[in-house]
Amino acid sequence: SQTIHQWPATLVQPVGSPLSLECTVEGTSNPNLYWYRQAAGRGLQLLFYSVGIGQISSEVPQNLSASRPQDRQFILSSKKLLLSDSGFYLCAWSVQRYRAYGYTFGSGTRLTVV
Amino acid sequence: DQQVKQNSPSLSVQEGRISILNCDYTNSMFDYFLWYKKYPAEGPTFLISISSIKDKNEDGRFTVFLNKSAKHLSLHIVPSQPGDSAVYFCAASRTSGTYKYIFGTGTRLKVLA
Repeated sequence: SQTIHQWPATLVQPVGSPLSLECTVEGTSNPNLYWYRQAAGRGLQLLFYSVGIGQISSEVPQNLSASRPQDRQFILSSKKLLLSDSGFYLCAWSVQRYRAYGYTFGSGTRLTVV
Repeated sequence: DQQVKQNSPSLSVQEGRISILNCDYTNSMFDYFLWYKKYPAEGPTFLISISSIKDKNEDGRFTVFLNKSAKHLSLHIVPSQPGDSAVYFCAASRTSGTYKYIFGTGTRLKVLA
């Protein structure tokens, strides 16, 4: 069966520090991968998505970047965190032909920038 | 530009009664819709979906209704149970090479025992 792993679960980082969040998927190949963020009092905002290794699409200009070095690995990064980067970050995967079932989300990372 | 809107941030319902969660969208190109349920500190989990070729889809206690002319969908939970207390997100997508779901801001449902 397919599973998605996302870590760490919580993270407290000072302003100006770098960030690296990792997400891996098991049990499927060539998934579409997504990074979403849920900021306080807001919905789920799509940040990046990827349809293959090295292919990244950015939805919102910001302080973050994403990379996909392997088929089932998706990384969210920042060189210098801002206070506004605080939020709940979610990785998700999907298979195009199973559109009706949407995404499968990871358990999320709570990032607090102090 | 919020293309998917959930105008009620919260809703309280008595156990056993019906919960109705609403969602509006602005993009007439959206043709597939989902509802997700999210507990605190967890990722959202898929509940139910509906295609634009239908106006209703049922799965147990959950029914989603779609009104394309009004660009409105709703999720009905009958009967509501305390375990249904969570944040509910609706999401919409359009047929394209790589589908992306646009999520609403969520509605926090509290089912009172």
